[in-house]
Amino acid sequence: QLQLQESGPGLLKPSETLSLTCTVSGGPVSSFYWSWIRQPPGKGLEWIGFVYFGGSTNYNPSLASRLTISGDTSMQQVSLSLTSVTTADTAVYYCARGRRADLGGFGHLDHWGQGILVNVSS
Amino acid sequence: SYELTQTPSVSVSPGQTATITCSGDALPKKYASWYQKKSGQAPILVIYEDDKRPSGIPERFSGSASGTVATLTISGAQVEDEGDYYCFSMDSGGVHEVVFGGGTKVTVL
Repeated sequence: QLQLQESGPGLLKPSETLSLTCTVSGGPVSSFYWSWIRQPPGKGLEWIGFVYFGGSTNYNPSLASRLTISGDTSMQQVSLSLTSVTTADTAVYYCARGRRADLGGFGHLDHWGQGILVNVSS
Repeated sequence: SYELTQTPSVSVSPGQTATITCSGDALPKKYASWYQKKSGQAPILVIYEDDKRPSGIPERFSGSASGTVATLTISGAQVEDEGDYYCFSMDSGGVHEVVFGGGTKVTVL
């Protein structure tokens, strides 16, 4: 059974770098679009980006200048790095597996981790 | 930037049909998927590729798409279906911007 587990610091100060890891167990990481999504308190879901283990990435344009998403096949892990965080980056961060659409390219998110709350506060 | 627009809220009585719409200019060319989100829980995929239902999702959940509008229908809504529902898709331009809709709060009472 596929499981995704997010890990990382729960508290950061403004201007620091947020680093999160998603560890995947129970299934392969290749041929999927490993994605990050967040939900700020009281707000909706926000797409962050994905890495495809074939080598491509897709980032939310509003975050792209601060964002890096990478993957390690041998460790079965996906990582997120978001630099220069502000209080606006406070959110629950989710890792999810993205599937290829039958017409090709990125499709939908079929498995999600439980999420990790990240609080940015001085 | 690309946007998907959802009605903010829908309220139905148990056993009635809840209809949630999502509009976006690229939906004629790109699939929509739908996610159920309950407070304190991870989102769950309920519909993908416009109208496909994952295994384990009750048959009362169905999806459709026509033109620039994708629709999620809950036929015979149950109290446990209360929550927020988000559509998800991407634009058809060169950037392939991926977005969620703003979400629809479904109340069953």
